[in-house]
Amino acid sequence: AQSVTQLDSQVPVFEEAPVELRCNYSSSVSVYLFWYVQYPNQGLQLLLKYLSGSTLVKGINGFEAEFNKSQTSFHLRKPSVHISDTAEYFCAVSSNDYKLSFGAGTTVTVRA
Amino acid sequence: EPEVTQTPSHQVTQMGQEVILRCVPISNHLYFYWYRQILGQKVEFLVSFYNNEISEKSEIFDDQFSVERPDGSNFTLKIRSTKLEDSAMYFCASSEGILEGPSSYEQYFGPGTRLTVT
Repeated sequence: AQSVTQLDSQVPVFEEAPVELRCNYSSSVSVYLFWYVQYPNQGLQLLLKYLSGSTLVKGINGFEAEFNKSQTSFHLRKPSVHISDTAEYFCAVSSNDYKLSFGAGTTVTVRA
Repeated sequence: EPEVTQTPSHQVTQMGQEVILRCVPISNHLYFYWYRQILGQKVEFLVSFYNNEISEKSEIFDDQFSVERPDGSNFTLKIRSTKLEDSAMYFCASSEGILEGPSSYEQYFGPGTRLTVT
């Protein structure tokens, strides 16, 4: 069974500042990793994914994440945030059983 | 771009009533899922469905829940006798699952149905 830990429940950040959201996972088998974003009162939108290949993955809206197998991490970064990035961000992991296990989420609040 | 759709967007029901939540997955996808998110909590897996049968279910998915693919396009979640604690956002998702390669694991989510049990 796999599990996901998002180390920060709330991250306040000023507009145009960088942000990093931390995600660690545990799994005994190979994993596939995802970041989803949920804007207020909306569904889940895929930001980016790691399935195989390069450990640095780029997603939509200027986000990127790096898969670190030795540290079992998949941290999400953006060099310069906008007000519109205010949302909840979920890290998720899947392995051989296809189902997604989600972290508890990180609320990002961007202030002017 | 193809997308997963869900109806209704909001359902209010009384405790003990049956509800059916509907989803239309992406047309060439073979794996279907239901998840739920209780307000303020994380998204939880309920059930996965492949080849017209349940492939995995969580401990949340007890006898009051059932899923069905009644035709070639719809995928439904039925809750037989709703409880107050069933109030949540319910998300449907689908994935390709054609070659069982990495792309099988990418799930596309619908916008959700907010279920309120009173």
